[in-house]
Amino acid sequence: DQQVKQNSPSLSVQEGRISILNCDYTNSMFDYFLWYKKYPAEGPTFLISISSIKDKNEDGRFTVFLNKSAKHLSLHIVPSQPGDSAVYFCAASSPGNTPLVFGKGTRLSVIA
Amino acid sequence: DAGVTQSPTHLIKTRGQQVTLRCSPKSGHDTVSWYQQALGQGPQFIFQYYEEEERQRGNFPDRFSGHQFPNYSSELNVNALLLGDSALYLCASSGGGPEQFFGPGTRLTVL
Repeated sequence: DQQVKQNSPSLSVQEGRISILNCDYTNSMFDYFLWYKKYPAEGPTFLISISSIKDKNEDGRFTVFLNKSAKHLSLHIVPSQPGDSAVYFCAASSPGNTPLVFGKGTRLSVIA
Repeated sequence: DAGVTQSPTHLIKTRGQQVTLRCSPKSGHDTVSWYQQALGQGPQFIFQYYEEEERQRGNFPDRFSGHQFPNYSSELNVNALLLGDSALYLCASSGGGPEQFFGPGTRLTVL
């Protein structure tokens, strides 16, 4: 039973446009959400996170939105750049240093 | 400031053998978690070590065991390797907060 779902295996976006990556979760105990970016042959790199007490967190070109009632979060990348092409993982954790639960990832391709 | 390091980078073993993977956490971090990432999947939690003790464990058999040393580095041991153990093994460290920082991983191939 997947607690974190990324329903789009892949996404293609033109350079300069907005990329929107989506993530849904089922566990109401999750209170912290993270996005990681992964290039081939590298480990996941932490990108941005959001606590359940917020509905938006912004860091440069990256913004994460959280809709708790819908159990849905999204990552917006504006403007998208070719270097953003990677696999993006959504992850969630519950209170108390619990392990991260990951989605299966979305492969983003930014086309020049 | 070195990030999380893992060794070896790649490893090829045969069924039934045993393997040990190593991890050094990011400076200042005292908690190490291990994850298995199969092809096309997200990382799956194996276990977490804090203060040299296994604090939490995921749904993995006893063939998977670990250790944390006083300097916070950690080892993952897998006994009686199966073909299905072929995966990328990721180590992540954290320092008290929910963010975890990952190493480059060890690619294990079981033939």
